[in-house]
Amino acid sequence: AIRMTQSPSSFSASTGDRVTITCRASQGVSNYLAWYQQKPGKAPKLLISAASTLQSGVPSRFSGSGSGTDFTLTISRLQSEDFATYYCQQYYSYPLTFGGGTKVEFK
Amino acid sequence: QLLESGGGLVQPGGSLRLSCAASGFTFVNYAMSWIRQAPGKGLEWVSAISGGGDSTYYADSVKGRFTISRDNSKNSLYLQMNGLRAEDTALYYCARVRLGGDCHDYWGQGTLVTVSS
Repeated sequence: AIRMTQSPSSFSASTGDRVTITCRASQGVSNYLAWYQQKPGKAPKLLISAASTLQSGVPSRFSGSGSGTDFTLTISRLQSEDFATYYCQQYYSYPLTFGGGTKVEFK
Repeated sequence: QLLESGGGLVQPGGSLRLSCAASGFTFVNYAMSWIRQAPGKGLEWVSAISGGGDSTYYADSVKGRFTISRDNSKNSLYLQMNGLRAEDTALYYCARVRLGGDCHDYWGQGTLVTVSS
């Protein structure tokens, strides 16, 4: 199975900060990489597919980049509603696998 | 909309069948997944099934114990779970697989499975 490693696992930030989360795959997954946002007590929400394609309705402050084994999710200016846990997921091959998550907390 | 049901408390070694009722889209056109989240932990993909039901996929952790199925006439997805273990305790989500790539664009709210004696 392809192992997905996210870093950091958690960090504190302030409203307005630029935030970058990294996801690394144990082998190349091309651009078959998705990012999700999960808030406490809620189901995950798909933010980005194909490494960089923003889903409809997702604010443009979110962006994704990368290909192969290294990917990033960037939030250009953190808003209060962005404090959440973020997960990457590869869909290059089965079994599908998620990263361990990155919790963005308020500083 | 995706609405899961069937969760509950079960003893180790027991069985449980989860259901997911889908509405608002043409169910047969979409592959579907079950994804779980242990309390306070991250997401773990469990199983997926193609739109027609002819292809199924499983995580190694559940292979041989869980069976995914669907009834397109009832717009329903199922997960039969046998030989349950304490480590299967989790919130189980039903999720739609996005067309054109196996990520998940719609999720239910989950049903909780607790395996304990």
